[in-house]
Amino acid sequence: GESVGLHLPTLSVQEGDNSIINCAYSNSASDYFIWYKQESGKGPQFIIDIRSNMDKRQGQRVTVLLNKTVKHLSLQIAATQPGDSAVYFCADALSGYSTLTFGKGTMLLVSP
Amino acid sequence: GAGVSQSPSNKVTEKGKDVELRCDPISGHTALYWYRQRLGQGLEFLIYFQGNSAPDKSGLPSDRFSAERTGESVSTLTIQRTQQEDSAVYLCASSPSGRAFSQETQYFGPGTRLLVL
Repeated sequence: GESVGLHLPTLSVQEGDNSIINCAYSNSASDYFIWYKQESGKGPQFIIDIRSNMDKRQGQRVTVLLNKTVKHLSLQIAATQPGDSAVYFCADALSGYSTLTFGKGTMLLVSP
Repeated sequence: GAGVSQSPSNKVTEKGKDVELRCDPISGHTALYWYRQRLGQGLEFLIYFQGNSAPDKSGLPSDRFSAERTGESVSTLTIQRTQQEDSAVYLCASSPSGRAFSQETQYFGPGTRLLVL
């Protein structure tokens, strides 16, 4: 597998800004995608998901965009708040298959 | 209702000792997963249980790692002859039926932090 350094990619934003976190996946056959949020000392928490027959899905303050052509997924957080500070992971899976493949994670730091 | 619980929350052990980690999934969830998360890194899939089917062990890194599950309830992950490289957070997750659809989100426990000295 791909080696990963100890330091996660970090995105630093000011409170109230919009944040965009990006993720690349490798399996072109994947058709189910999820974003998880992991706060320090806790397990990952589901944020939003999207199926491959969609290219955009909106939740509360969050939007996930899927570009299957370039195998890219992004998470947009509107009006970012200090409570959004966490590590964000994308994950993908094949329909009918339960094993999720997780991305490396991006740390989001929100300054008041 | 109660979420996924794991115990112990922290475990410090000496190199060469065996450790056993426990996961209690959400009641009624037939699928259970174990992941390993090294410091500052993503989640690494270890093993997956689905009902009475044979577990998917494809992610276990070596034969020192094993896991069991009793029916659709508690699971234990055992690491024999621990090595310093085993130091990580071990996360357990459960889902209702293990199918990759939107309603089948994996719900994670808080993890067990293992430190091998």
